[in-house]
Amino acid sequence: GAVVSQHPSWVICKSGTSVKIECRSLDFQATTMFWYRQFPKQSLMLMATSNEGSKATYEQGVEKDKFLINHASLTLSTLTVTSAHPEDSSFYICSARDLQRDWNEQFFGPGTRLTVL
Amino acid sequence: KQEVTQIPAALSVPEGENLVLNCSFTDSAIYNLQWFRQDPGKGLTSLLLIQSSQREQTSGRLNASLDKSSGRSTLYIAASQPGDSATYLCAVVSGSARQLTFGSGTQLTVLP
Repeated sequence: GAVVSQHPSWVICKSGTSVKIECRSLDFQATTMFWYRQFPKQSLMLMATSNEGSKATYEQGVEKDKFLINHASLTLSTLTVTSAHPEDSSFYICSARDLQRDWNEQFFGPGTRLTVL
Repeated sequence: KQEVTQIPAALSVPEGENLVLNCSFTDSAIYNLQWFRQDPGKGLTSLLLIQSSQREQTSGRLNASLDKSSGRSTLYIAASQPGDSATYLCAVVSGSARQLTFGSGTQLTVLP
C-alpha cells in the first residue's frame, strides 16, 4: 500500500513551453501532497504544499505564477511549469500523506526529470 | 527554521566494512526522522522511520538511532556491499505544518 506515481517520468521541452507533471496516490486518499525540486548533486527542496480543494502554499522564493499547482481530487495533484526555461531543468518529486495513516509520514513518487532546451 | 546537516558529504569504504552516517538537526521538536536511499537519477527509497518517541529502528543490516534531545541520528550499515553504494538522505518532520526537511545527503561508495 501507499503507492505514489508520477507522470511523465521524464520530459524534454523547448524553452518557453509549459509542462504538466501529474502526481497520483494509487491506493489511498491524500488531502495533502508536496512538491519538491532537486538540482544535481543537491538535496530535495520543498517547493509547495498542495491541499485538496484549496490554494497551494508556496515556499519562499518559489514563483506561484510560474509553478502552477492544482489539487482537484484526493488522489491527484498537478504541477505545471509555465514558460519553462533551461534553469527550470531539474528533478521534480512529489509526495503524499495518507489520511488513514500516520499524519507525519509522506510517501514519495519516483520523480520526473525535466530538461528544458 | 529547521536545518538538517549530514556528515560526511561523501564516504568511500572497502566492501565488508561497517560504517556510520551522521545526521544532526537544529530543532529537537520533531515528529519523526527518516532515512532514505537515492540511487543516481532515481527517486527516494525509504529505509527506516523513527518516531519521536523511539530511540532506534532496525531493518536487516541497517540500524538507525535517534537522540532527539541532542538533535542527532546515526545510520549504521553493517558488512557493507557494493550494492549499498548510493546517496543516503536524512529528513525530519517538524513544525506546525509538519513539513519534511532534508539534509544534503552522504554519497556512499562501497568498493568491491
